[in-house]
Amino acid sequence: GQNIDQPTEMTATEGAIVQINCTYQTSGFNGLFWYQQHAGEAPTFLSYNVLDGLEEKGRFSSFLSRSKGYSYLLLKELQMKDSASYLCAVDNYGQNFVFGPGTRLSVLP
Amino acid sequence: ETGVTQTPRHLVMGMTNKKSLKCEQHLGHNAMYWYKQSAKKPLELMFVYSLEERVENNSVPSRFSPECPNSSHLFLHLHTLQPEDSALYLCASSQEYGADTQYFGPGTRLTVL
Repeated sequence: GQNIDQPTEMTATEGAIVQINCTYQTSGFNGLFWYQQHAGEAPTFLSYNVLDGLEEKGRFSSFLSRSKGYSYLLLKELQMKDSASYLCAVDNYGQNFVFGPGTRLSVLP
Repeated sequence: ETGVTQTPRHLVMGMTNKKSLKCEQHLGHNAMYWYKQSAKKPLELMFVYSLEERVENNSVPSRFSPECPNSSHLFLHLHTLQPEDSALYLCASSQEYGADTQYFGPGTRLTVL
């Protein structure tokens, strides 16, 4: 079966650092995506990890451990506009994309 | 502007109606997708088309019928829907089918009465 877990909600303060975790158990694995989705809007691409390790892109970084079935998205210097849902999705060897339930992040002043 | 447009943005329909959702991508991509997003549920992949051929149909009820007349357009035909089909329907495209970044449209908010 396919199973992806993320915390449902998180809250953090403007200027802080937050880590959003994603664990997965899928029949295959080709890579892991992170998407950001603001309320009422389409998901937008943030990152794609294929190999183990940390990929940094500005204020956002994404980490992957294939052996542990684990990824996280790290957001630094949080801004109010970062309040959104963050979705991790596993590319299951191109068979299909399996999305996690999403983590709703609220950034407080 | 994501390069993927969807119409209509909002749709209210009765259970006996027939309606269609339209998606158009202006990115020159070869793969297109339909997703369903319900409240408090993960995004569910419904259909995938690659080079205008359906490559996936994830156990979707037959009251949803996709159509891909060319690589830029994707339709979702709706017939005799149920109230539980009310959701946000998202279209996405990617350069190729598989491990490729997907670009999403804004979605159609569907309400079935």
